[in-house]
Amino acid sequence: QSALTQPPSASGSPGQSVTISCTGTSSDIGDFAYVSWYQQHPGKVPKVIIYEVNKRPSGVPDRFSGSKSGNTASLTVSGLQTEDEADYYCSSYAGNNNLKLFGTGTKVTVL
Amino acid sequence: QVQLQQWGAGLLKPSETLALTCGVFGESFSGYYWSWIRQPPGTGLEWIGEINHSGTTYYNPSLKSRVIISVDTSKKQFSLKLTSVTAADTAVYYCARVSGTPSQFSYMDVWGKGTTVTVSS
Repeated sequence: QSALTQPPSASGSPGQSVTISCTGTSSDIGDFAYVSWYQQHPGKVPKVIIYEVNKRPSGVPDRFSGSKSGNTASLTVSGLQTEDEADYYCSSYAGNNNLKLFGTGTKVTVL
Repeated sequence: QVQLQQWGAGLLKPSETLALTCGVFGESFSGYYWSWIRQPPGTGLEWIGEINHSGTTYYNPSLKSRVIISVDTSKKQFSLKLTSVTAADTAVYYCARVSGTPSQFSYMDVWGKGTTVTVSS
C-alpha cells in the first residue's frame, strides 16, 4: 500500500479559503468513511482536526471542514488565519490488519 | 486528561534494536488502541502498528518482519521494538492513542511528545 497523495503546497491570504485534496484508492478512501486530517506546526506534535471524514474534535474551529468523494478526500480551511500556517496530513483506514495510511503532506502558507 | 509520556534510547548503531516505551496517564487503558507512528526528517508520517489492552496487535506490512509491539496493562504502558535498524529508520517516533467507533478505531487523538531516534555508525 502506498501513501495517499496530497499536493506539496497550498496558499491563501488571510480570510480566504484553501482546499487540500487527498487521493487514495478504492481500497482505502474509496472503501471506508474513516478519513482523518492532522495539523502539524514546525517542530510540534501532530493534532487531529478532522476525523471520520467530516467530524471535528472538541475545540477545533468550525473553519475546518472535511469531505469525501470517491477515492478523494478534501480538507477546507475557511477564513484563513496566520496560525493556520502548518503542514497538513490526511490519513485513511485501509482495512487489511487495521492498516492506516498517511498522506504525503501539504504545507499551507498564509500569504 | 490523558497524557502520554514516552522514553527510550535515541542513538543506535546499524543492526541494533530500537526500544521505546509509552506510559498512559490520567485515562483508562482499555477501550482504545495504542499506536506507534514515525516521521523521518523532513518527511511525512508512517503508521508502524497498534495494540489494545488485550494484546491484540496490528502491524504495517512494510515493517511487520522487524516490529514487536507489546503491552503491560498493570503499568499502563506499551512498547515498541524494531530490530535490525538502519539509517532509514532514523525518525521521530510518536506514541498515540487510537480512538473511533466500536467497530473501527481509526484516528489518533492523543500523542506523545515524540522521541528522536538516530541510527548512525
